[in-house]
Amino acid sequence: AQKITQTQPGMFVQEKEAVTLDCTYDTSDPSYGLFWYKQPSSGEMIFLIYQGSYDQQNATEGRYSLNFQKARKSANLVISASQLGDSAMYFCAMREPQNRDDKIIFGKGTRLHILP
Amino acid sequence: EADIYQTPRYLVIGTGKKITLECSQTMGHDKMYWYQQDPGMELHLIHYSYGVNSTEKGDLSSESTVSRIRTEHFPLTLESARPSHTSQYLCASSEGTGYQPQHFGDGTRLSIL
Repeated sequence: AQKITQTQPGMFVQEKEAVTLDCTYDTSDPSYGLFWYKQPSSGEMIFLIYQGSYDQQNATEGRYSLNFQKARKSANLVISASQLGDSAMYFCAMREPQNRDDKIIFGKGTRLHILP
Repeated sequence: EADIYQTPRYLVIGTGKKITLECSQTMGHDKMYWYQQDPGMELHLIHYSYGVNSTEKGDLSSESTVSRIRTEHFPLTLESARPSHTSQYLCASSEGTGYQPQHFGDGTRLSIL
């Protein structure tokens, strides 16, 4: 079973609108971390935002916020006031430190296109 | 700011050549990883290391090999490159414990002719 599911392969959004990228996860571990990365066409992976499973408040970093709904096992990324430079692939990821392997698991990604 | 470096950034080379992709980090991270990624596709973990002299194969079978003789250095080697090895290779590192994210290098785009 997939541990990280991103159901939107691609999205088109008008510039300046807010965007929500979906991510659901599957774990039986009570302790975990959730991350979002941005990958522009140049190929590098840019860390955007982090949410810990015990964090009471949703994480925010500038125009990025993470809509964390623990009971639903969902960790959606919200980008406010989208810009042309936001066009990229976005990956949701999870780390389970208690897992013996402690690997970070990535979803398949969502390609976001911002339209002028 | 993460300090993890990959060289070369781009490599175009003929079939049968031996290739080493370099990855170095200056953060003292114990854990390091190699991913293979085709354009626009998901990342596949091919190797990881939990520290010096520790290496493990990842989820995707790969003909490459890795070594970890020093904490800061995690090179990946292909003994005999083939066109099927054409891909982007991303190196990452993370803190040994806790919930910290992985920090990535800029990647190596490898093309085997």
